[in-house]
Amino acid sequence: GQNIDQPTEMTATEGAIVQINCTYQTSGFNGLFWYQQHAGEAPTFLSYNVLDGLEEKGRFSSFLSRSKGYSYLLLKELQMKDSASYLCAVLDSNYQLIWGAGTKLIIKP
Amino acid sequence: IAGITQAPTSQILAAGRRMTLRCTQDMRHNAMYWYRQDLGLGLRLIHYSNTAGTTGKGEVPDGYSVSRANTDDFPLTLASAVPSQTSVYFCASSRTSGENTDTQYFGPGTRLTVL
Repeated sequence: GQNIDQPTEMTATEGAIVQINCTYQTSGFNGLFWYQQHAGEAPTFLSYNVLDGLEEKGRFSSFLSRSKGYSYLLLKELQMKDSASYLCAVLDSNYQLIWGAGTKLIIKP
Repeated sequence: IAGITQAPTSQILAAGRRMTLRCTQDMRHNAMYWYRQDLGLGLRLIHYSNTAGTTGKGEVPDGYSVSRANTDDFPLTLASAVPSQTSVYFCASSRTSGENTDTQYFGPGTRLTVL
């Protein structure tokens, strides 16, 4: 079966750095997406990785290792508004997105 | 309209009733999707449409139907609602699908409760 694993919940301090991991086992791989979802709102796109390595976009970076079936989202200089769920999703061999259950990130002052 | 709109925002429905969730996008995206999101589970694809006039089944299609008469609209119908269909429903769209799959953009969601 297809499986995306992320930690259920993480806590971090304002101003700090946090890394959210995602491991996947899917039928094929055509890219990995990270989305942010604030409580009661729609998911919004953060990043896309299809090649191995690090993609940096402001305070957010995303890393991919296809051989290890592994990705992480790195958030720097955490702000209270970063409190949200972070969803990892893999585009499988049928070009359909398989979603993880999401990681709820709690930021404390 | 800017982006994707969904209606209604929320709904309480008696089991056995028919219900249509509406989704409209103004981005001229070719592909549209319906997902459900349940606590502790990832988003699950119900149905999708790669282009107007075509539809396909996702991971959890039973009990749902869709149509794609034009580019902008993609309604989701529950023919006879059951309590297990209580969920938050998200509509999404992307400019392209398949090998050239683009980022998916999501509507605000419909919170549906079936009693």
